[in-house]
Amino acid sequence: RKEVEQDPGPFNVPEGATVAFNCTYSNSASQSFFWYRQDCRKEPKLLMSVYSSGNEDGRFTAQLNRASQYISLLIRDSKLSDSATYLCVVSFQDRGSTLGRLYFGRGTQLTVWP
Amino acid sequence: DARVTQTPRHKVTEMGQEVTMRCQPILGHNTVFWYRQTMMQGLELLAYFRNRAPLDDSGMPKDRFSAEMPDATLATLKIQPSEPRDSAVYFCASGLVPEGQAGATGELFFGEGSRLTVL
Repeated sequence: RKEVEQDPGPFNVPEGATVAFNCTYSNSASQSFFWYRQDCRKEPKLLMSVYSSGNEDGRFTAQLNRASQYISLLIRDSKLSDSATYLCVVSFQDRGSTLGRLYFGRGTQLTVWP
Repeated sequence: DARVTQTPRHKVTEMGQEVTMRCQPILGHNTVFWYRQTMMQGLELLAYFRNRAPLDDSGMPKDRFSAEMPDATLATLKIQPSEPRDSAVYFCASGLVPEGQAGATGELFFGEGSRLTVL
């Protein structure tokens, strides 16, 4: 089982729609959580961190549910420019290690159409 | 803007040839990562350096891959001999983890990637 699982999509939504992505992780000791965005044939870039209390950045809202080990990303009022692949990222320390490792999900593809 | 620089951007080579990919991390960053991305597997961690020391290369095929950081401005990933299954986009990323913090890294800054095709 992969450390981070995401629905690959694709999600195809009209402009203005609200869309939500979920992601589950396998290690209950996971410490930090992020959403990255990757445009077609480009590098991943940090979209936002995910905090235990949930956090919002403009049209984007991230939630963390530690009990169920899932993370969500909600995009309101979708724009054409939101079309991209959204990567769920989880970090935890391997057993016996003092290091943190970042594990990336395979991404959820979003296309926003006019 | 500070950015991670990778070369080459594209590489086409024949099976059995040596491939070397280079990365210049952002000045001042103390962690460097090499990832490989394919459609089937997504992003896979190959190697991880902290303060130039290799800390984790468990995701890297040891028989043909090697990663080094000869100095703070250069990280290299070498494949010898290359095989068609190595075809992928290889990303280098750097980040800054406060000294004394052993836990997870924060934001990673990725280079534009090296697209490798092995025929």
